[in-house]
Amino acid sequence: RKEVEQDPGPFNVPEGATVAFNCTYSNSASQSFFWYRQDCRKEPKLLMSVYSSGNEDGRFTAQLNRASQYISLLIRDSKLSDSATYLCVVSSDRGSTLGRLYFGRGTQLTVWP
Amino acid sequence: DTAVSQTPKYLVTQMGNDKSIKCEQNLGHDTMYWYKQDSKKFLKIMFSYNNKELIINETVPNRFSPKSPDKAHLNLHINSLELGDSAVYFCASSPYRFNEKLFFGSGTQLSVL
Repeated sequence: RKEVEQDPGPFNVPEGATVAFNCTYSNSASQSFFWYRQDCRKEPKLLMSVYSSGNEDGRFTAQLNRASQYISLLIRDSKLSDSATYLCVVSSDRGSTLGRLYFGRGTQLTVWP
Repeated sequence: DTAVSQTPKYLVTQMGNDKSIKCEQNLGHDTMYWYKQDSKKFLKIMFSYNNKELIINETVPNRFSPKSPDKAHLNLHINSLELGDSAVYFCASSPYRFNEKLFFGSGTQLSVL
């Protein structure tokens, strides 16, 4: 089983739509969670960290559900420029893998005009 | 001005050859990484150095050898290239060990023919 599982999509939505992605992680003791964004043929870039209380950054809202071991990303009022692959990332917290990041394969989003 | 720069951007070579990828960061970070992104888009860590000390060495063939002459540079040398080595290789850095906020280079697309 993969450390981080994501629905690869693709999600195709019109401008202005609200779209949500989920991912699940296998290690219940994981402590740190992130969403990265990767544009086509580009490097990943940190989008936002995910905190237990949930956090918002403009049109983006991230939520963490520890009991169910899933993380979500909500994008409101989608823009064309939001088209990218969104990577769910979890940090290991123990032993020899302490501090290692595990990346999901990403969820592809296309926003159309 | 590029924070994490890696060269070359594209590398096309024959099986059996030896090649190197160079990486430099000007962010003053202590920790650098090599990640591999395969055709299925999974990003997996290969190596990590902290202040020139190897701290993560994943299960990769020993044909792959990282070298860190100083904390701003982390190079990757690959011997006897195989078809399965074809992938995108990303260099990254973070401010310190176990910090999960990575800054990635733009990637090196390696194609082994």
